[in-house]
Amino acid sequence: DGGITQSPKYLFRKEGQNVTLSCEQNLNHDAMYWYRQDPGQGLRLIYYSQIVNDFQKGDIAEGYSVSREKKESFPLTVTSAQKNPTAFYLCASRGLWYTEAFFGQGTRLTVV
Amino acid sequence: SQELEQSPQSLIVQEGKNLTINCTSSKTLYGLYWYKQKYGEGLIFLMMLQKGGEEKSHEKITAKLDEKKQQSSLHITASQPSHAGIYLCGADKQGRGSNYKLTFGKGTLLTVNP
Repeated sequence: DGGITQSPKYLFRKEGQNVTLSCEQNLNHDAMYWYRQDPGQGLRLIYYSQIVNDFQKGDIAEGYSVSREKKESFPLTVTSAQKNPTAFYLCASRGLWYTEAFFGQGTRLTVV
Repeated sequence: SQELEQSPQSLIVQEGKNLTINCTSSKTLYGLYWYKQKYGEGLIFLMMLQKGGEEKSHEKITAKLDEKKQQSSLHITASQPSHAGIYLCGADKQGRGSNYKLTFGKGTLLTVNP
């Protein structure tokens, strides 16, 4: 089945450690997005990529890094520089602009 | 920064009542999307609007985009407990170069009491 998969669903890390969240899609979509969701904040854009080997910062990119080496994959690394990493992270993909985006089920990251 | 304002932030209605959620932008909207989210889950696409004055319906949910393309509304008729969740509006915004980023409002939390 076609879709977008995020893993793992829950992730726990110690403060000061980097952690990488996985996002894979088999929808042949060019564009991929990473969002962070905190209670009462809606979705805030971290990074987005329109094409392989190219990506742009979103509204809250500090403390995060991404790569887009393959069309299907857009992993997000939460670095130790991110001051408040505990949040719900959502990945999305879509074909072109002005088309609907498909979302993964999210990864809940807890840093202790 | 988020430029989509949603209202109300939260809404509690009795089952069977109608309700409306609004999404307002200071800039012209070229692609407006409505999504629904259950807590702790991904977003489910509801509808997309592009043209001024456009209106779309799916089951008991109707979305409209005003003629100026700066405001959209989502109307639910005869609400049911299954309508409960977070409703988010999203819009395309031009980023660097020819890239378009998809940004969202803060969402509206809907509770439907039986």
